[in-house]
Amino acid sequence: NAGVTQTPKFQVLKTGQSMTLQCAQDMNHEYMSWYRQDPGMGLRLIHYSVGAGITDQGEVPNGYNVSRSTTEDFPLRLLSAAPSQTSVYFCASSSGGLYGYTFGSGTRLTVV
Amino acid sequence: GIQVEQSPPDLILQEGANSTLRCNFSDSVNNLQWFHQNPWGQLINLFYIPSGTKQNGRLSATTVATERYSLLYISSSQTTDSGVYFCAVATAGNNRKLIWGLGTSLAVNP
Repeated sequence: NAGVTQTPKFQVLKTGQSMTLQCAQDMNHEYMSWYRQDPGMGLRLIHYSVGAGITDQGEVPNGYNVSRSTTEDFPLRLLSAAPSQTSVYFCASSSGGLYGYTFGSGTRLTVV
Repeated sequence: GIQVEQSPPDLILQEGANSTLRCNFSDSVNNLQWFHQNPWGQLINLFYIPSGTKQNGRLSATTVATERYSLLYISSSQTTDSGVYFCAVATAGNNRKLIWGLGTSLAVNP
């Protein structure tokens, strides 16, 4: 099925550990983005990319790195996890970045 | 930066009722979208509507850009409409950097 695939769905990390959240889309969308959602809040943009090799920061980029080596993949790296990074993470893609966003099903991350 | 306020924060309806959700924003935008997050967490894009009016089945949306607000109308509500409705906007400076409101949580009872 076409869409945005996020892995893993759930993850528990210890403070200081690193990990990569995976995001892949098969719709040939140029635009991809990562959001975090905290309880009772809307989504906040972490990083986004308008095409392979191009990334930029969103509202809350600190503590996260991204790269975009292919059109399909946009991994999000936590270099040294902190409890403040406990959240639900969503990846989204869009053909132009202006509309028609398709979201992945989310990754629930807990940092202890 | 731009501020996005949604109202009401919570709404409870009986099945079949109509409702209007509001999104106010503090600056000019050239990107405004409505999303629905269902009770299982899945996010669905409903409308891209920086201005004007659009309709999709029982849902419609109107944005009055000059007055900096958008309205989402839900008619003949169904239990499957339950969830959280988000408004997200972006300015001309970077129209791909969506800023999200806190959402309206809707519960439709049978």
